[in-house]
Amino acid sequence: DQQVKQNSPSLSVQEGRISILNCDYTNSMFDYFLWYKKYPAEGPTFLISISSIKDKNEDGRFTVFLNKSAKHLSLHIVPSQPGDSAVYFCAASETGTASKLTFGTGTRLQVTL
Amino acid sequence: KAGVTQTPRYLIKTRGQQVTLSCSPISGHRSVSWYQQTPGQGLQFLFEYFSETQRNKGNFPGRFSGRQFSNSRSEMNVSTLELGDSALYLCASSGQGSYNEQFFGPGTRLTVL
Repeated sequence: DQQVKQNSPSLSVQEGRISILNCDYTNSMFDYFLWYKKYPAEGPTFLISISSIKDKNEDGRFTVFLNKSAKHLSLHIVPSQPGDSAVYFCAASETGTASKLTFGTGTRLQVTL
Repeated sequence: KAGVTQTPRYLIKTRGQQVTLSCSPISGHRSVSWYQQTPGQGLQFLFEYFSETQRNKGNFPGRFSGRQFSNSRSEMNVSTLELGDSALYLCASSGQGSYNEQFFGPGTRLTVL
């Protein structure tokens, strides 16, 4: 039972344009959501997070939007840079279990010149 | 501040053997979580330790176990290795608080022959 889903396994975007990565979840108990970036042979690197009391959080070029009614979140990267090319994971946790993350399957982002 | 370190980085074992992996969290972090990443199942939560006690547990068989020491360093052990245990094992640490990002180590790549 995949509680966190990233339906696009890959995405290709031109440098300077916006990258939008999507994530859907089914567990209503999730109240904290995170995005991680992962390069091959490295551990995931934390990018940005959002709690369920908010619908938007920004950090530089990265913005995460949360739509609780649709159980959907998205990560916007503007402008996209070649160094953003990596696998992006969406993750979620329930109240009181912030250290128990449920991950999506990942989206491979390629930013082309 | 030094990041999460994991040793060894690579390991080759044969079926039936057991293995112990080590993780040193970021200084001051008391929570250590372990994850397994495989191509088929993605990133899956194994267990979390906090102040030397297992606080959360994922859906893995009893062959997978762990412990945490008083200095917050953690070890995980897999007994009676199976071919399907071949994976990247990731350790993550986080600070106190209800919502704290997890910071991942580079992982240990375990190959079971």
